[in-house]
Amino acid sequence: GAVVSQHPSRVICKSGTSVKIECRSLDFQATTMFWYRQFPKQSLMLMATSNEGSKATYEQGVEKDKFLINHASLTLSTLTVTSAHPEDSSFYICSAPGATPGTQYFGPGTRLLVL
Amino acid sequence: TQLLEQSPQFLSIQEGENLTVYCNSSSVFSSLQWYRQEPGEGPVLLVTVVTGGEVKKLKRLTFQFGDARKDSSLHITAAQPGDTGLYLCAGEETSGSRLTFGEGTQLTVNP
Repeated sequence: GAVVSQHPSRVICKSGTSVKIECRSLDFQATTMFWYRQFPKQSLMLMATSNEGSKATYEQGVEKDKFLINHASLTLSTLTVTSAHPEDSSFYICSAPGATPGTQYFGPGTRLLVL
Repeated sequence: TQLLEQSPQFLSIQEGENLTVYCNSSSVFSSLQWYRQEPGEGPVLLVTVVTGGEVKKLKRLTFQFGDARKDSSLHITAAQPGDTGLYLCAGEETSGSRLTFGEGTQLTVNP
């Protein structure tokens, strides 16, 4: 079946540094991918929609200059957290819609800890 | 932005009990999906309901989609400790594949 992978699975960084998270669709192409953030004991909050070959669409309240999204190919989207701060520590998850309507494949998530 | 209200947010029951989780919205969705998520992992799809009034069963889990495609429920019969986890409903917008998630239900089944 379709699989979405994320790398890295965990990352610890110092405050002020930038962190890149990769989301890959394996065995299928994804013109659209979604990036979510999840805080402990909370649900997933959509951050942005990544569009292959064009600019990402950000949800209200999400800073596009802080969360840079690049969707350079049909199988890869990257989320870069720039100048990370402790409040950016969270679980970041990506997903890609499948070919069948109503299907969505989620990555395993990336745990970011900013010290 | 479409909203999806999920209840209850927390549920702690004894093994063998039944439970129902609800997701309600004022908006119409093209489909509604139920996921289960373990700590530190991504959500795993349990079922997708598409047609108004649809009922799907997955072993001891029964999923319903409201006639107007605005609400859904998940019923678990004879819950087991292995059912413990975070259950999430998510509505797919009619204009595309964008999902709106409910707040989640943290279920704990005690042996």
